[in-house]
Amino acid sequence: DVKVTQSSRYLVKRTGEKVFLECVQDMDHENMFWYRQDPGLGLRLIYFSYDVKMKEKGDIPEGYSVSREKKERFSLILESASTNQTSMYLCASSFARGQYFGPGTRLTVL
Amino acid sequence: SQQGEEDPQALSIQEGENATMNCSYKTSINNLQWYRQNSGRGLVHLILIRSNEREKHSGRLRVTLDTSKKSSSLLITASRAADTASYFCATDGNQGGKLIFGQGTELSVKP
Repeated sequence: DVKVTQSSRYLVKRTGEKVFLECVQDMDHENMFWYRQDPGLGLRLIYFSYDVKMKEKGDIPEGYSVSREKKERFSLILESASTNQTSMYLCASSFARGQYFGPGTRLTVL
Repeated sequence: SQQGEEDPQALSIQEGENATMNCSYKTSINNLQWYRQNSGRGLVHLILIRSNEREKHSGRLRVTLDTSKKSSSLLITASRAADTASYFCATDGNQGGKLIFGQGTELSVKP
């Protein structure tokens, strides 16, 4: 079974803090993705990566950066968290044309 | 950008009934996928239908695809309370596995 894990299920941070969300997959997948999910807006792609040290902007990259130093790990970074980044963050990986999702991190920025 | 639009946004049925959800999209696709999400959890891949396929079955799931109308439907037969979840369609336009998700249909199955 493919396993995609995320470092935290719930996270509370303060405005201006630097936030790291970690995602690890154990199936040697090349493609990894970060989404945020908000009521009424569905899933929106923030960043994705096709290979180590490679990254591509998604639809809403502003305020975020990513890091992929190893194939199995894809990190999402909020350089200076703001209240409008309060959301559910979902990581996914894929090999063929389906995506496998982690359980999600619900981030609250106060 | 979200190109998938799902209909209805919410659906409430009794156990044993069939549930039908629809998805429309705007651009050409390689395949279309359906996912399920239980409340507060990640998405789970249910089924993929390729652009040259018209219908696909998996257990109690039946998916149809009409590329001329740019639409798909997901039918869940003999629904169970455990089917209660949100269901999303996602289109793959051959951009290296990048998917565009619809906003989902919230299904409630009452026992």
